[in-house]
Amino acid sequence: GAGVSQSPSNKVTEKGKDVELRCDPISGHTALYWYRQSLGQGLEFLIYFQGNSAPDKSGLPSDRFSAERTGGSVSTLTIQRTQQEDSAVYLCASSLGSGEQFFGPGTRLTVL
Amino acid sequence: QKEVEQNSGPLSVPEGAIASLNCTYSDRGSQSFFWYRQYSGKSPELIMFIYSNGDKEDGRFTAQLNKASQYVSLLIRDSQPSDSATYLCASPTGGSYIPTFGRGTSLIVHP
Repeated sequence: GAGVSQSPSNKVTEKGKDVELRCDPISGHTALYWYRQSLGQGLEFLIYFQGNSAPDKSGLPSDRFSAERTGGSVSTLTIQRTQQEDSAVYLCASSLGSGEQFFGPGTRLTVL
Repeated sequence: QKEVEQNSGPLSVPEGAIASLNCTYSDRGSQSFFWYRQYSGKSPELIMFIYSNGDKEDGRFTAQLNKASQYVSLLIRDSQPSDSATYLCASPTGGSYIPTFGRGTSLIVHP
């Protein structure tokens, strides 16, 4: 079956612009996670969805970051007024409950 | 703050040797543990999970869990250059569904 997909794979934007990153989880996976990984660094947790609700948004670094999930499936991470420090790889993962996570290929965001 | 800690390495082993990767955790309530492999420029992929004390073997990989000492390890037998990657340990902590990831250990297997 299909794995987790993310789009775009690469995004280059100018400082101050808004960007939307999309994640399509594995069908039937109720849990969806967003992470950020800067070059050579570990995974930074951003937000977790169980179904369409986000019980834990504690990792969002600022109010410029928001995310939503519709139909218990696709999720969009939006970054408003991007800054250079937002440059990173944004990873999405899905799982059945609290089980093992399956990661998408990531979106590499570069803010000029 | 519930933590999962790993030595960042790099751990360098010769081809054919056993690579031993270790992870310690602070939350005594943690029940499940996952090992992910991440090649450079790629996303993490699950290679092992373990829930019970003791050993779990899958091919060349063995995960070991010791809840009393709060550590989990991953052994890779007959290491190959293709095993060279960063290995991430993860566990849901603090009663949360959200896994806490260690920073990863870089493994280099040299011919």
